[in-house]
Amino acid sequence: AQSVTQLDSQVPVFEEAPVELRCNYSSSVSVYLFWYVQYPNQGLQLLLKYLSGSTLVKSINGFEAEFNKSQTSFHLRKPSVHISDTAEYFCAGFPGGYQKVTFGTGTKLQVIP
Amino acid sequence: EAGVTQFPSHSVIEKGQTVTLRCDPISGHDNLYWYRRVMGKEIKFLLHFVKESKQDESGMPNNRFLAERTGGTYSTLKVQPAELEDSGVYFCASSQGSSLPYEQYFGPGTRLTVT
Repeated sequence: AQSVTQLDSQVPVFEEAPVELRCNYSSSVSVYLFWYVQYPNQGLQLLLKYLSGSTLVKSINGFEAEFNKSQTSFHLRKPSVHISDTAEYFCAGFPGGYQKVTFGTGTKLQVIP
Repeated sequence: EAGVTQFPSHSVIEKGQTVTLRCDPISGHDNLYWYRRVMGKEIKFLLHFVKESKQDESGMPNNRFLAERTGGTYSTLKVQPAELEDSGVYFCASSQGSSLPYEQYFGPGTRLTVT
C-alpha cells in the first residue's frame, strides 16, 4: 500500500496566484515528512522537512507546509508563485523508521505567465 | 562542498546490453542509497550502503542488478543484461549519521533508456 499519496499529478496556476500541493500519509509512515523539489534538468533538492516541534515548517523561498496529524496530511502551500517555481514536487517520508525514503508520485507545478 | 555526483547523465543502450552507473557521494557520508523512478511512477528505493556494506537491498528488482561500493567511497550499479522495463531515472543519495532523522542529499540522476 502506498505510504505517501499525492493526489494531483499536475497543477497549473497563474503567476502570483496561491497554490496548494496536497500530500497525505499513511500510519505506516513515521512522522518525519519531507517535500523535495526537482527543477528541470536538475536533481532532487530538499525543500522543507518536518521532524518534530512546530507543525508549520517553512522554506527559504516562501513555501510552507503544515503537519496535520488528525488529517494525516502535509500539504505544501505558497501564497504567490513565481515562474521559477515551475518544477516537480515530491512528498516523502520514512516508513516505519527504516532508512529509506518513501516518495509520493510527484506533482508537476506549472506556473503560467 | 561538492554535492552528490552521478555519471553518466544519460545512457541509451539496447536490450541485452550491460550498463554501469556510477555515484560519488558527498565526502564523509557513510550512507549511500540508490533509488529509481520509472516513467510516471513514484521514486522507489533500491538499496542502502553503510560504508562498503549493504545494509538493505530489499528494493533491488532482480538479480540482473548488482550494486557495489568499493572502499566505502563511490558506488556502481550494474544492470546486466538490461531489459526494456529497466528504463527510468536512477538517483543516488547520501547522508551522514546512523539514526533518524537525517537528510538525504540527492544527485541529479542518470536517465537510462533501454531500446
